[in-house]
Amino acid sequence: EDQVTQSPEALRLQEGESSSLNCSYTVSGLRGLFWYRQDPGKGPEFLFTLYSAGEEKEKERLKATLTKKESFLHITAPKPEDSATYLCAVNARGGSTLGRLYFGRGTQLTVWP
Amino acid sequence: EAGVVQSPRYKIIEKKQPVAFWCNPISGHNTLYWYLQNLGQGPELLIRYENEEAVDDSQLPKDRFSAERLKGVDSTLKIQPAELGDSAVYLCASSSGQGYDEQFFGPGTRLTVL
Repeated sequence: EDQVTQSPEALRLQEGESSSLNCSYTVSGLRGLFWYRQDPGKGPEFLFTLYSAGEEKEKERLKATLTKKESFLHITAPKPEDSATYLCAVNARGGSTLGRLYFGRGTQLTVWP
Repeated sequence: EAGVVQSPRYKIIEKKQPVAFWCNPISGHNTLYWYLQNLGQGPELLIRYENEEAVDDSQLPKDRFSAERLKGVDSTLKIQPAELGDSAVYLCASSSGQGYDEQFFGPGTRLTVL
């Protein structure tokens, strides 16, 4: 049972071409949705946490939004250095599984000059 | 502030051999996680520690995998014996809270089993 689905699997953008990545989730009792960036050969790097529908967070060219069923990572005027895999994860339920992040497969973003 | 440290970064072994990975979390972080990441997939949790206690190990294959965090700081993950299917990246993460907070990841150990 997939709890987190990310789309598209891969995205190629020209430098300056804005776009959005999607993360849809089916868990109940969401206790946090996380966005990470992962470069080849490195561990995931934390970007944002969103806790409730309607919440938005921004960092440089990235903006994350959350609804009751999905989250979007908007990339405005991307640069080649934004090329990476972007991972979405949810923290759901409680008890012994609290803190267990369920990750999607990621969106591999390539920004070419 | 130093990040999560893992060693070794790469390990190549033959099947049936034992292997161990080491992790030092961010200073002051009481919660430590071990994840497994296969190529093209997101990380999957193996075990979570709150201080010295393993509070979520239901996804750890206990027939061949073991982990310890003796003094509530460093942690070691062991596989014995390794199988071909264990080839993956093993990630360690830590957080300051008890589940709701963001987790910070180390660079990972890439294991290749021949």
